[in-house]
Amino acid sequence: GAGVSQSPSNKVTEKGKDVELRCDPISGHTALYWYRQSLGQGLEFLIYFQGNSAPDKSGLPSDRFSAERTGGSVSTLTIQRTQQEDSAVYLCASSFYTDTQYFGPGTRLTVL
Amino acid sequence: TQLLEQSPQFLSIQEGENLTVYCNSSSVFSSLQWYRQEPGEGPVLLVTVVTGGEVKKLKRLTFQFGDARKDSSLHITAAQPGDTGLYLCAGAGNTNAGKSTFGDGTTLTVKP
Repeated sequence: GAGVSQSPSNKVTEKGKDVELRCDPISGHTALYWYRQSLGQGLEFLIYFQGNSAPDKSGLPSDRFSAERTGGSVSTLTIQRTQQEDSAVYLCASSFYTDTQYFGPGTRLTVL
Repeated sequence: TQLLEQSPQFLSIQEGENLTVYCNSSSVFSSLQWYRQEPGEGPVLLVTVVTGGEVKKLKRLTFQFGDARKDSSLHITAAQPGDTGLYLCAGAGNTNAGKSTFGDGTTLTVKP
């Protein structure tokens, strides 16, 4: 079956603009995760959705970041009033409960 | 909070050499995963270890889960340039409400 997909693959925006990043998880997976990764670094957890439970937003760096998951499937990560320090690769992963996470290819965000 | 520490952070070796990278925690995990990530791509799962003391082999890669399920190691025999990448370990939570925790990764460069 299809893996996790993310769009766009690359996004260049100007400081102060809002951006939306999309993640399509593997069908049937209950959990969806968003991470941020700076060049050559590990994964910084952002937010975690598990079924119909309230999302774990403990990793969101500021109130400019938000995410929603529609119908338990597709998720959108929104960054408002982007700053240059928001530049990074944003990775999405999905899993069946707490089983193995399968990652998408990421969206590379560049804020000029 | 469950934390995973990986060491070394960077490793540069010649083709044909052996190497070991470590993933350590003070917390117990129900399972632990190792991923490899190549530039421009998302992490790809290599292996999941579940049982304390478990050893798994994938060709030249040997993975071990500590007896207490708090640590793990990855040993590569006769490294090849194709092994170059970022190696990440991740520990799964002990309940369905838990989320996985990622280490900061080991960047491996194998020179021809």
